[in-house]
Amino acid sequence: SQQGEEDPQALSIQEGENATMNCSYKTSINNLQWYRQNSGRGLVHLILIRSNEREKHSGRLRVTLDTSKKSSSLLITASRAADTASYFCATDAPSRFGNEKLTFGTGTRLTIIP
Amino acid sequence: DGGITQSPKYLFRKEGQNVTLSCEQNLNHDAMYWYRQDPGQGLRLIYYSQIVNDFQKGDIAEGYSVSREKKESFPLTVTSAQKNPTAFYLCASRQGFNYGYTFGSGTRLTVV
Repeated sequence: SQQGEEDPQALSIQEGENATMNCSYKTSINNLQWYRQNSGRGLVHLILIRSNEREKHSGRLRVTLDTSKKSSSLLITASRAADTASYFCATDAPSRFGNEKLTFGTGTRLTIIP
Repeated sequence: DGGITQSPKYLFRKEGQNVTLSCEQNLNHDAMYWYRQDPGQGLRLIYYSQIVNDFQKGDIAEGYSVSREKKESFPLTVTSAQKNPTAFYLCASRQGFNYGYTFGSGTRLTVV
């Protein structure tokens, strides 16, 4: 089952602009994570934000989390051509055994136009 | 360098044939996972294992089987019972709860 839904499904921006992607989820979580996938490759972990955190930064990445709205956003500032990829959110939900597994969203395809 | 190695990169399966995808990690991670990705789609969980000699079904386990005899290895067998196996298969591992996954580079399986 898909826990997260990213919005938009696809996004094209000019190099240097900021890119914002959103993720909504359905159940309570322990943390939410963002991943990047270049075409035909495995996913790369970008950032993890815990349920008691509201904002987190890593380089040009800024992630926010609103647990009351069950939503998160990923902001990439000063975009570069190398940022062209698909971006996925993933939720780590509590279960009777702990945080067993991640559930991934459907992804946002980001294209940076040089 | 530590990481996850998936092999082969490309695999072709004939109708009615079982095939096994390899996943090996040298990160000393306890938990390992298999996901399936269809074109333009997200990842769907097939099987996962928290410790050696134990594994659980994910959301789409039918037609697949796994084993976890060693901490480093988590092979996935796609059986003839899987009617639509053409997809990109991703193996991942993680250190523990509240950590991110480390992914392999994937195996692209095609039915011929």
